[in-house]
Amino acid sequence: KNEVEQSPQNLTAQEGEFITINCSYSVGISALHWLQQHPGGGIVSLFMLSSGKKKHGRLIATINIQEKHSSLHITASHPRDSAVYICAVHTGNQFYFGTGTSLTVIP
Amino acid sequence: SAVISQKPSRDICQRGTSLTIQCQVDSQVTMMFWYRQQPGQSLTLIATANQGSEATYESGFVIDKFPISRPNLTFSTLTVSNMSPEDSSIYLCSVRTSGGGELFFGEGSRLTVL
Repeated sequence: KNEVEQSPQNLTAQEGEFITINCSYSVGISALHWLQQHPGGGIVSLFMLSSGKKKHGRLIATINIQEKHSSLHITASHPRDSAVYICAVHTGNQFYFGTGTSLTVIP
Repeated sequence: SAVISQKPSRDICQRGTSLTIQCQVDSQVTMMFWYRQQPGQSLTLIATANQGSEATYESGFVIDKFPISRPNLTFSTLTVSNMSPEDSSIYLCSVRTSGGGELFFGEGSRLTVL
């Protein structure tokens, strides 16, 4: 069993749609990270959070520590949002990574 | 924040050869890591690059296959030795800031072994 599970694995949306990607984890964490990986392979850190909610532009990340669950929301999705979104948790000693959600936004 | 320059961005190599990937950070960082991402898979930690001493390798990875250097707090190299097609992956350099704990990644090196 993976320590970090993401859903859905693949997601296709029409431009403008509201998108939610979910992440559940089974270990105690000090922080959770949402990462964005573009087709070239480079990874950008979107959020690091340990409680509550963070917002950056059209992206919102929430975490529920008791339920060991986090969500990444994208409002008014755009084709440039097409990427793989990876959830990662840090236990204080090491990182565990989800397998990613591949998002395609169609114009 | 940290800006990471990684090169080469991609390469196609012959079986049995070795390739060295470089990672340059624009600031001094304590924690520097090398990851591998095989096709369709998540990130797997290869090793933690330690400044001035031998890298700390994860289970399944050995120094002879993946020698790592870290001569200072801003630079590291990963060599993939005696390559086989199974080594075809994206290799990523990553740093974690000591203050905020944020993660930063290089652009990745996409390696194809024929």
